[in-house]
Amino acid sequence: DAKTTQPPSMDCAEGRAANLPCNHSTISGNEYVYWYRQIHSQGPQYIIHGLKNNETNEMASLIITEDRKSSTLILPHATLRDTAVYYCIVAPGNQAGTALIFGKGTTLSVSS
Amino acid sequence: EPEVTQTPSHQVTQMGQEVILRCVPISNHLYFYWYRQILGQKVEFLVSFYNNEISEKSEIFDDQFSVERPDGSNFTLKIRSTKLEDSAMYFCASIKIQGGNTGELFFGEGSRLTVL
Repeated sequence: DAKTTQPPSMDCAEGRAANLPCNHSTISGNEYVYWYRQIHSQGPQYIIHGLKNNETNEMASLIITEDRKSSTLILPHATLRDTAVYYCIVAPGNQAGTALIFGKGTTLSVSS
Repeated sequence: EPEVTQTPSHQVTQMGQEVILRCVPISNHLYFYWYRQILGQKVEFLVSFYNNEISEKSEIFDDQFSVERPDGSNFTLKIRSTKLEDSAMYFCASIKIQGGNTGELFFGEGSRLTVL
């Protein structure tokens, strides 16, 4: 079973920031937080990951609390194309072959 | 940008038939995965594969399933005798190891299998 908890759905207005929360209170010291998204029925797409520091890339920012028990994915200026299911996953970052376990994720709906 | 490619995009088969789904991972990637997603449900891990051996597999990956890397480029998933409940989207994924985080998977667009 997935070790994360996410709200089932969220709405966001186009152009506004989308803040997607995730709880992972049982995260282990060697586990990273990964975010993926799935647009319609396409293959999941990697977004970003982090261990304990906040991270930013061209797609999003990841804010991890100091105790690492929760995190927030931020899409700074959401567009209609960001409508998707967003998955928060915790897993080791140095054990190749270890399965990433997807939960139900958060369905983000971006509207104009 | 390099990508994982999968064929066929959609296959319809009769129950009991054998099916082979094919994947071409990104060329410098070393670990390969199969996931499946039944319509309306979660993305489920099936198997991971490295150096011509299964690295990890889930309970779903029973004796009806097998994986193979028959040459230097293809990675296949075989279902020996398909059942109605095998109808799903099957996703292939790969990762590079050197210089990459092991949780950064690159997924293909999927192969939709319909079993009648």
